[in-house]
Order: sequence, then C-alpha cells, then structure tokens
Amino acid sequence: SYELTQPPSVSVSPGQTARITCSGDALPKQYAYWYQQKPGQAPVLVIYKDSERPSGIPERFSGSSSGTTVTLTISGVQAEDEADYYCQSADSSVVFGGGTKLTVL
Amino acid sequence: QVQLVESGGGVVQPGRSLRLSCAASGFTFSSYGMHWVRQAPGKGLEWVAVIWYDGSNKYYADSVKGRFTISRDNSKNTLYLQMNSLRAEDTAVYYCARDRSPHIVVVTALDGMDVWGQGTTVTVSS
Repeated sequence: SYELTQPPSVSVSPGQTARITCSGDALPKQYAYWYQQKPGQAPVLVIYKDSERPSGIPERFSGSSSGTTVTLTISGVQAEDEADYYCQSADSSVVFGGGTKLTVL
Repeated sequence: QVQLVESGGGVVQPGRSLRLSCAASGFTFSSYGMHWVRQAPGKGLEWVAVIWYDGSNKYYADSVKGRFTISRDNSKNTLYLQMNSLRAEDTAVYYCARDRSPHIVVVTALDGMDVWGQGTTVTVSS
C-alpha cells in the first residue's frame, strides 16, 4: 500500500494563514480528504474531494491539489483551530497520513 | 440525528478475542459502506477495514488481515468487528465511520468518512 506524508507540526499566530501539505504518489488520480481531531474527540471531516467543504465547516478551511501534493489551508486561524489534522486517500486500500499538529501561538 | 455508537471494548489478554459493535441511527444504514479506524495511544489514525453497503465485499489493512473480520447486519443497523488473536499492538481506540457516498462498490470510489462514532477503547494486556 502507498503512503501519505505530512509534516509533523505547523505553527502559526492567530489571524495568519496555516498551510498543511500531504504528499503521495496516488494523489494525482485519487481524491484527498482532510480531518480535524481535537484531544479526546473523534475526527471531523473538514474537506472532501480535494477542495469541497462539508456543510457546517467554516469558510476559512479550504483545500487544493497540485500533482502529488494536496494542501489544507486555514485562513485567519483562530485559537479553536488548534488540533491534529490528517489527510486520507484511497487507492488499493484506504490510507491516512501521519498527521500534523497545528499549534496556534 | 445521524449517530454511530460503538460498544464492546475492554481489557483482553494477548491471543484472546473481542467483538466490537457499532449501532447506527438517523440514516439509511443499508445504503452506506462502513469503516473501522483505530488510534493507538498518542499515535495517528490507522484505517482497519471497510465493508460495502450490502456486505458483498470487505477490505482490510495488512496489519489485521487474517485476524479481524468486519461484518454488518442491515436488519439491525449494526456494524461489527470480530478481533481474534489480539496483540499488544492492537491496543487503541476503535472508531466506526460512515463513508460519505452511498452504494459504493469500488475501493477507488470511497469518498471519505463523514460520520464518526465516539470510539471504544481496546486494551490488550496480560
């Protein structure tokens, strides 16, 4: 099975823009999905099909794709956005990235 | 409201078995593929298994293949995970999750997980 690679951590100040990347060989032909997980809570889907936002997810969350890399962008980061973020895709099986801890300074 | 509730977790000795359940409500359970995802203490998410909406096909992570079995009873709106030959490395919170799109029958068409349960904890220890 293939792998998805994320940076372990990203730090931003409130109001700035956070970008979290996810790289994988299958991403040019398979969609990516992003989940937010806060401590002690179940994951929440924040982006599907690379760039679509589920209802109820704030507009500051957006997604994009370029070649083998997809990016989750959080514009105007708020303290409540501090969480772990995971990308996920499916090729021959389902795979998650290792996760990125977003710290709001 | 749309809801998934896991149960069946606990402490079990290595080599023993455990069956997890996931009760679904608020949506047409029989139309959706369902996943199990786990998270070891302090670690990231690990996909475990998926079953098609009608139970006709199942896929597993290599780490559990041959030991775990995913199944469902659409008449009871319930998903199951039978875990045999448990190992210490199976210790985790186990989540059930719904695939976002109904009636998917190809792995490459799986469409993300939009509904998650609260998780049930499995501890494998002697």
